Amino acid sequence: GNSVTQMEGPVTLSEEAFLTINCTYTATGYPSLFWYVQYPGEGLQLLLKATKADDKGSNKGFEATYRKETTSFHLEKGSVQVSDSAVYFCALRGSGSNYKLTFGKGTLLTVNP
Amino acid sequence: GAGVSQTPSNKVTEKGKYVELRCDPISGHTALYWYRQSLGQGPEFLIYFQGTGAADDSGLPNDRFFAVRPEGSVSTLKIQRTERGDSAVYLCASSLGDRADTQYFGPGTRLTVL
Repeated sequence: GNSVTQMEGPVTLSEEAFLTINCTYTATGYPSLFWYVQYPGEGLQLLLKATKADDKGSNKGFEATYRKETTSFHLEKGSVQVSDSAVYFCALRGSGSNYKLTFGKGTLLTVNP
Repeated sequence: GAGVSQTPSNKVTEKGKYVELRCDPISGHTALYWYRQSLGQGPEFLIYFQGTGAADDSGLPNDRFFAVRPEGSVSTLKIQRTERGDSAVYLCASSLGDRADTQYFGPGTRLTVL
C-alpha cells in the first residue's frame, strides 16, 4: 500500500536559517504529493502541492519538487521566520480512482528569534 | 467564506458510552472525508462520502464506527461503546468533489475516552 516517511522532529532553527524537511514516499503509479501545515491551535492547511513528476509546488516562500526517481518531495525554505513554527505533514494521494490522503507522522518546527 | 466546521471541539466521555461528532463542510462541496489523528501520528483515513452515499468506508476500524450524511451536506460520525483506544482527534475535510480538488480540513474534534 501507499506510505509516506518524513523526517522526525522536532526541528529547532534560528530565524533566517535554511529549512529542509525530508519526505519520501512509496506508491504505485503516479501519486499527487502535498505538504500540509498545522499552526498552533488551528486546523490543517494545504501549503503546497505537485501533481506530476518534476513539478515544483511553492507557497509563502516554501518549495518542494516532485522527484519520481528518488520518490521524494522534500520541503525547503531559504529563510524561516518565527511565524513558520508549526507541524508540517507530507501526504500523498494515489493515482487512478484513489482519493484518500496518506500522511506522514508530521514534523514539529520551532523557529526561535 | 466559511470553512469546514466541526462540533464539539472537545468531547470527554466514559468508556462504553455513545458519541456523535458533527461536521459542516464548505457550502457546495460534494465530497466529505473523515480522518483520525492519534497523538504523534499523521491523520488516517476513515471514510469518504460523495453526496449522500459512503463511497468508501474501508478505513473505519470496526463496526462500532458509523457515519452518515443524509442530505449530502452535514455529516455525523457515530461511535458506539467507546473504548479508551478511540481517544484521538477526529478530522473532517471537504472538497468540491473532483478527485483532483484540494481537501480543506476542519479544526477537528478532540475525543477523550476515560
